[in-house]
Amino acid sequence: KQEVTQIPAALSVPEGENLVLNCSFTDSAIYNLQWFRQDPGKGLTSLLLIQSSQREQTSGRLNASLDKSSGRSTLYIAASQPGDSATYLCAVSSGSDSNYQLIWGAGTKLIIKP
Amino acid sequence: EAEVAQSPRYKITEKSQAVAFWCDPISGHATLYWYRQILGQGPELLVQFQDESVVDDSQLPKDRFSAERLKGVDSTLKIQPAELGDSAMYLCASSLIGVAEAFFGQGTRLTVV
Repeated sequence: KQEVTQIPAALSVPEGENLVLNCSFTDSAIYNLQWFRQDPGKGLTSLLLIQSSQREQTSGRLNASLDKSSGRSTLYIAASQPGDSATYLCAVSSGSDSNYQLIWGAGTKLIIKP
Repeated sequence: EAEVAQSPRYKITEKSQAVAFWCDPISGHATLYWYRQILGQGPELLVQFQDESVVDDSQLPKDRFSAERLKGVDSTLKIQPAELGDSAMYLCASSLIGVAEAFFGQGTRLTVV
């Protein structure tokens, strides 16, 4: 059974620092991995999607890497800003063409201090 | 930009009353998901549709929850009767067949009093 873990549960850093969020999964048979952002009381916004055949994806100040063999993904945020404060969740997708399942981590709550 | 629409955004209901949520997925997305998210936790899948068919409702409390997607487009999730423990965020997401990237709506925040 696939399990997804995100450590730490919460992280507080000063503005301007580069930081890394971690996501680990127990079964390497995944289709892809997604990183999401969630602001308090809001829905989820997809940040980056990494296909199982890819090693990384970049969008602006965000870079996500995937190491399937070790069951790990990292989300790197460069030059953090107070607006980056949110909860970041990762989810792995597995299944067949007709029935994907997303398995979720519990998230890392990030606070960027001005 | 296409997005998943959900309504209402907020709902307060009394215990034992019925409540319904609506979701309109991105046009052309055959897969639709309903999730429940309790504060501080990841989303929990309630039901997954492929077109109008349910492909996974193993975590749906069927004694009080029901979901339908009659024409394979928009969907309704109903709770009857609502219980205090149902207070949570209810999220809808959609994705294309054969493509797993999921797009989420803004959610419905349910408070049962």
